[in-house]
Amino acid sequence: GAVVSQHPSRVICKSGTSVKIECRSLDFQATTMFWYRQFPKKSLMLMATSNEGSKATYEQGVEKDKFLINHASLTLSTLTVTSAHPEDSSFYICSARESETSGSDNEQFFGPGTRLTVL
Amino acid sequence: GQNIDQPTEMTATEGAIVQINCTYQTSGFNGLFWYQQHAGEAPTFLSYNVLDGLEEKGRFSSFLSRSKGYSYLLLKELQMKDSASYLCAVRDGDNFNKFYFGSGTKLNVKP
Repeated sequence: GAVVSQHPSRVICKSGTSVKIECRSLDFQATTMFWYRQFPKKSLMLMATSNEGSKATYEQGVEKDKFLINHASLTLSTLTVTSAHPEDSSFYICSARESETSGSDNEQFFGPGTRLTVL
Repeated sequence: GQNIDQPTEMTATEGAIVQINCTYQTSGFNGLFWYQQHAGEAPTFLSYNVLDGLEEKGRFSSFLSRSKGYSYLLLKELQMKDSASYLCAVRDGDNFNKFYFGSGTKLNVKP
């Protein structure tokens, strides 16, 4: 299957700082990538859909100014958590689809995730 | 709203068979996916059903009944490495990019 990488895998930061997380599709191009958040023992919650060359689409309840998304190329999307606070501590996972064709069974390929801890 | 239910936790014995159920109530439907997730890692794809019936893939099988809003994942010949969380996800009927995930079932495989 296709490979998606994330960097960093783990980050600890002080409250008030900003943290950038990168998501890369290594062997395919992805015009659309997705950012999820996962709390302990909870499922994945879609935060936003990242579209290459255009603005991201945020899910209801997700602050656009808090979670900045940039999809500058067909293989890279970044999520920046601005002015992070302890409640932003979570596991952030990105995913990408290999093809944009509808009606197919192509699944999302997930990155390994980034564990963010805000002190 | 979208509602996807799975049991929180299950325990089974190595070598046995276990069935993990998933029921869903969503405004639209375009496929149901099962993912395996080990602690601290990203989910990995296991199976996909869009039509009613059983899909078999080695030790893993997945069943779907759209009229009942029900699916199950069947794991045979359980191995210790199968200890993980199993996530049921429904793809939105209108937006192929949108997946709704259940909270996951933590499977503990014991010797």
